[in-house]
Amino acid sequence: AQSVTQLDSQVPVFEEAPVELRCNYSSSVSVYLFWYVQYPNQGLQLLLKYLSGSTLVESINGFEAEFNKSQTSFHLRKPSVHISDTAEYFCAVHSGGSNYKLTFGKGTLLTVNP
Amino acid sequence: ETGVTQSPTHLIKTRGQQVTLRCSSQSGHNTVSWYQQALGQGPQFIFQYYREEENGRGNFPPRFSGLQFPNYSSELNVNALELDDSALYLCASSGGGFGANVLTFGAGSRLTVL
Repeated sequence: AQSVTQLDSQVPVFEEAPVELRCNYSSSVSVYLFWYVQYPNQGLQLLLKYLSGSTLVESINGFEAEFNKSQTSFHLRKPSVHISDTAEYFCAVHSGGSNYKLTFGKGTLLTVNP
Repeated sequence: ETGVTQSPTHLIKTRGQQVTLRCSSQSGHNTVSWYQQALGQGPQFIFQYYREEENGRGNFPPRFSGLQFPNYSSELNVNALELDDSALYLCASSGGGFGANVLTFGAGSRLTVL
């Protein structure tokens, strides 16, 4: 069985500050890892993904995450946040196979204050 | 390309009633998954449909059932509604190939059970 732990339920930061949202997973097999973002009253939007290759993946809006197999982590970082980054962020893992089930963490609410 | 669309966006039911939620998958996607997101939680996998057959199920009772149609659209049916069924129900679609485990989510149907 696989599981995802998001270590912080809430992360408040000031605008233009750096941020790290932490995610650890457990799985007995190779994994694919994802970060999704959810704005208020909306569905989930894919932010970035690790499927294979380079362990550092980036999104178009400045977020990046690094897959660390030895520490079973996939932390999300951004060097300078904006007010518009305020949202709930979910880390998710998929262990491959024909069943495309994603296991999600409980989410981290990022609040960016002026 | 069109994204994943869900209907209705909001609905209110009473305990013991039945509900049907609908989902149109993204163009070119042949697999549909349903997730339940309770307030303050991450999404939980309900089941997945591929070629009109259920090919994976999470820890949900049989009163949660679904259908997939030849055009890849899908329905989620919940019978004998309980108060704990109140949640945001998310539909996600995916295509084939290497990126098949990358899910595209709809905006969700918010169900309130009174």
